[in-house]
Amino acid sequence: NAGVTQTPKFQVLKTGQSMTLQCAQDMNHNSMYWYRQDPGMGLRLIYYSASEGTTDKGEVPNGYNVSRLNKREFSLRLESAAPSQTSVYFCASSDWAMLSGGTDTQYFGPGTRLTVL
Amino acid sequence: DAKTTQPPSMDCAEGRAANLPCNHSTISGNEYVYWYRQIHSQGPQYIIHGLKNNETNEMASLIITEDRKSSTLILPHATLRDTAVYYCIGSSGNTPLVFGKGTRLSVIA
Repeated sequence: NAGVTQTPKFQVLKTGQSMTLQCAQDMNHNSMYWYRQDPGMGLRLIYYSASEGTTDKGEVPNGYNVSRLNKREFSLRLESAAPSQTSVYFCASSDWAMLSGGTDTQYFGPGTRLTVL
Repeated sequence: DAKTTQPPSMDCAEGRAANLPCNHSTISGNEYVYWYRQIHSQGPQYIIHGLKNNETNEMASLIITEDRKSSTLILPHATLRDTAVYYCIGSSGNTPLVFGKGTRLSVIA
């Protein structure tokens, strides 16, 4: 099993450019998440998807859009990149089911390091 | 979900036990305590979680006080590879986990 995979690993954009970060998991998990991590900071949740076909905003959703393409894949799109979006982006998945609660053991991908000039 | 408080940093000698504290005085009865760690530049890694009872797995032990207001993560024989940021999170499972800034553990040779 590959677990959680993310592409690309590194990306440099110019201000105003757009791009999509891809994430896939092979653990048949219900929930998927996108986080960003700035230097010296903890992880901040951007968006999450508690089931196929649903998405919800996290702590810092502005400037981002997401798509839960199917159960395996959850993409993050920057429509018009800004220098403030320079960060490391992590995708995660878990078996968490929002409506029934329960435990939330998340598995993380290796991250995408994005620089916006 | 409960707010957790952790010291920003700790040191531990290699081979000794690392005891990482976490305060969660507002935790409710249905909230679990989770521990994750993040080794430099990598994605966070799940370590352990518990509700009331102490828990142990191949990575660590989790000791939760009887009143559940605090807990301690124990790495029994710390190695240099255990140098990481450790996150303590309280969650009932109704909303996604919230990662704070954690404790930066430095294991020293």
